[in-house]
Amino acid sequence: AQSVTQLDSQVPVFEEAPVELRCNYSSSVSVYLFWYVQYPNQGLQLLLKYLSGSTLVKGINGFEAEFNKSQTSFHLRKPSVHISDTAEYFCAVTSDTGRRALTFGSGTRLQVQP
Amino acid sequence: NAGVTQTPKFQVLKTGQSMTLQCAQDMNHEYMSWYRQDPGMGLRLIHYSVGAGITDQGEVPNGYNVSRSTTEDFPLRLLSAAPSQTSVYFCASRSRTVEAFFGQGTRLTVV
Repeated sequence: AQSVTQLDSQVPVFEEAPVELRCNYSSSVSVYLFWYVQYPNQGLQLLLKYLSGSTLVKGINGFEAEFNKSQTSFHLRKPSVHISDTAEYFCAVTSDTGRRALTFGSGTRLQVQP
Repeated sequence: NAGVTQTPKFQVLKTGQSMTLQCAQDMNHEYMSWYRQDPGMGLRLIHYSVGAGITDQGEVPNGYNVSRSTTEDFPLRLLSAAPSQTSVYFCASRSRTVEAFFGQGTRLTVV
């Protein structure tokens, strides 16, 4: 079984400040990791993904994440946030065995303040 | 290329009614799944399929049925709607090394 823990349910931050959204996962097999963003009343949009290779992955809108296998983490970072980044962010994990469906964390609401 | 199409976008049901949420994908993806999203709980897996004719239960399957007669379609059936099934429902599809693509969601209210 796999699980995902997003350690912060809400993260308030001022515009142009850096931000880190934390994600830890648990799995007994090799994983693929994802970050999705959901703007109010919309569907889910992929920010970035880790499938294999370089542990630092870059995504859309200036976001990046680092896969750390020893710490089973996949934290999302952005060096300078904008008001438009206000949204809910979901970390998710899947693998090539078993369900092959995504297991999601409970989400982190990023609130960017002027 | 439409991606993942979910219908309807909004639905209000009375307790005890049944309905089917439709999901279709045109990317020839093997894996499809249904999730429900509730505040503070993220997306929870209801049912999933790893190919035509193969389905299985996720974390919250009670009150829902699915079938996968073709690669493209994966309908979700609510057998007898209950207020606890008020939620936003998302369908997703993916292939082995591709991220999941999501439909736009169905907002269901059971009164």
